[in-house]
Amino acid sequence: GAVVSQHPSWVICKSGTSVKIECRSLDFQATTMFWYRQFPKQSLMLMATSNEGSKATYEQGVEKDKFLINHASLTLSTLTVTSAHPEDSSFYICSASIQGITDTQYFGPGTRLTVL
Amino acid sequence: GENVEQHPSTLSVQEGDSAVIKCTYSDSASNYFPWYKQELGKRPQLIIDIRSNVGEKKDQRIAVTLNKTAKHFSLHITETQPEDSAVYFCAASRTGYALNFGKGTSLLVTP
Repeated sequence: GAVVSQHPSWVICKSGTSVKIECRSLDFQATTMFWYRQFPKQSLMLMATSNEGSKATYEQGVEKDKFLINHASLTLSTLTVTSAHPEDSSFYICSASIQGITDTQYFGPGTRLTVL
Repeated sequence: GENVEQHPSTLSVQEGDSAVIKCTYSDSASNYFPWYKQELGKRPQLIIDIRSNVGEKKDQRIAVTLNKTAKHFSLHITETQPEDSAVYFCAASRTGYALNFGKGTSLLVTP
């Protein structure tokens, strides 16, 4: 149990285009999902906290108009990187907590974004 | 906010030896301390976690200790095997909040 999926697993896009990444909790309901970004050989950095039915909370330095987050249901959150640039190339990982049990977080497999 | 420091950044041990990774945290309200193992290009995998009402937890070859007063916690891996080679991250959080990760420790276990 407690499986989180992400789609796509990797994506290559041209500079200036937008990319949408989906994060799904497959066998549980997740009130809260988190979006992290990981650059090569670095740690995971929190980008935003996504709560079902409300606006996401962004970390300092993360542009909310560039990284659009939508958490429309208890099993799906999406991250859209708008007008992507090469510096946005990174590994994007989501995590989710089981509703009512909010300590343990389960990570998705990640999405490797490469912007040319 | 929470600040998690992790040491060492790299660790090389021989197969069968023990490995210890240490982390400190700054927010005394943090009450959840997980450890993740991440292999190259893959998602972090939870290997063990501890909550603030417990001082030590063990799962086969892996153990975690927590000292709330000193605000530090450690991961202990005994009888290391080559397949233990990976990057290990500690993290700290309050219930319901995002994880704050340490910078990671690259563990290499040589046969």
